Amino acid sequence: EIAMTQSPATLSVSPGERATLSCRASQSVSSNLAWYQQKRGQAPRLLIYGASTRATGIPARFSGSGSGTEFTLTISSLQSEDFAVYYCQQYNNWQTFGGGTKVEIK
Amino acid sequence: EVQLVESGGGLVQPGGSLRLSCSASGFTFSSYAMHWVRQAPGKGLEYVSGISSNGGSTDYADSVKGRFTISRDNSKNTLYLQMSSLRAEDTAVYYCVNGRPHASTYFDYWGQGTLVTVSS
Repeated sequence: EIAMTQSPATLSVSPGERATLSCRASQSVSSNLAWYQQKRGQAPRLLIYGASTRATGIPARFSGSGSGTEFTLTISSLQSEDFAVYYCQQYNNWQTFGGGTKVEIK
Repeated sequence: EVQLVESGGGLVQPGGSLRLSCSASGFTFSSYAMHWVRQAPGKGLEYVSGISSNGGSTDYADSVKGRFTISRDNSKNTLYLQMSSLRAEDTAVYYCVNGRPHASTYFDYWGQGTLVTVSS
């Protein structure tokens, strides 16, 4: 089973600032990496797939990069609605989720 | 419009069994792999199980292997998760999810979730 590790566990950011979230795979997953956003009481929402392709309706301030074992989700200028928990997921071999990064208001 | 509607959650005693169902609509169910993802209270997402479009291939998280069985009825557009030997740590919201037709996929679509509580 491929293990996914996200860092940091919590990220404190001021509105308008840039947020950078990391995700590491225990073995190469090529570009088969997705990112999700989850707000309290809601199901997760797909943000990014293929490591860097935004899903339908996702604002351009969300961007993904990386391949192999190291991946990054960047939110260029945090809006109030972006404070949430973010998960990465590999789908190179079935699927595994990372433990999540909570983005909170500084 | 894709719709995934879970049912069957509830309170069950440790060691007990429960069967979850997911009724799917808005897409050709028989052409898509389907999956279950769970989330314990205050915790992260955990992939539980998946099944290929024809049911010939399945996958399970180590934490549920040997206790949970995933199945599907393509004639009824329904996905199932038979859970047995339930433990307190199985308490979670269980989501029915799908994405691309492949077994290995990201998840575009999520149901609303059904809560399973394992407690005496």
